[in-house]
Amino acid sequence: AQSVTQLGSHVSVSEGALVLLRCNYSSSVPPYLFWYVQYPNQGLQLLLKYTTGATLVKGINGFEAEFKKSETSFHLTKPSAHMSDAAEYFCAVSDLVAQKLVFGQGTRLTINP
Amino acid sequence: DVKVTQSSRYLVKRTGEKVFLECVQDMDHENMFWYRQDPGLGLRLIYFSYDVKMKEKGDIPEGYSVSREKKERFSLILESASTNQTSMYLCASSLWGRWGQRLNTIYFGEGSWLTVV
Repeated sequence: AQSVTQLGSHVSVSEGALVLLRCNYSSSVPPYLFWYVQYPNQGLQLLLKYTTGATLVKGINGFEAEFKKSETSFHLTKPSAHMSDAAEYFCAVSDLVAQKLVFGQGTRLTINP
Repeated sequence: DVKVTQSSRYLVKRTGEKVFLECVQDMDHENMFWYRQDPGLGLRLIYFSYDVKMKEKGDIPEGYSVSREKKERFSLILESASTNQTSMYLCASSLWGRWGQRLNTIYFGEGSWLTVV
């Protein structure tokens, strides 16, 4: 079975500061990993995904994530936070065949001016 | 652009009512999913479907059923709504994945907020 743990239900950073959202996964098969963002009253938008190949994945809006198999982690980072980054972020894991996403609990990111 | 449309954004229903949540996608996707989103729990899979008339239970199917009579439409049904089904419901779709193929992106609708009173 696959599972995801997001460390920290709320993260607050200052505008211009580094954003780091933590995600650890558990999977018995090679994992496919995702970060989604949800703005208020909206659905989920894909930020980035890791399937195979390069372990550093770049996504939209300046976000990137690094797959570390030895640490079973897929942390999301952005060098400089913007006010528009305030949202809820979800890490998810899937397998290739079923393509059912298993989500973490979510992390709400707040940006302080 | 892929579009996943959930026709009802906000619903208020009474306990015991039968509730239909409708989802339509316009990209000929084989896979469709219904998730439920609750604070602190993330998204949990209720049901999914690989093809017309095909359905499989997800992690929390109790109290729900689904219908997929046409490829583009996937309906979630609450036979007798209860207050603990008050939640945000998200529909999603994707192309069918096969071994050796790239994992296909899963697209989400904007969600349906259901309140059961």
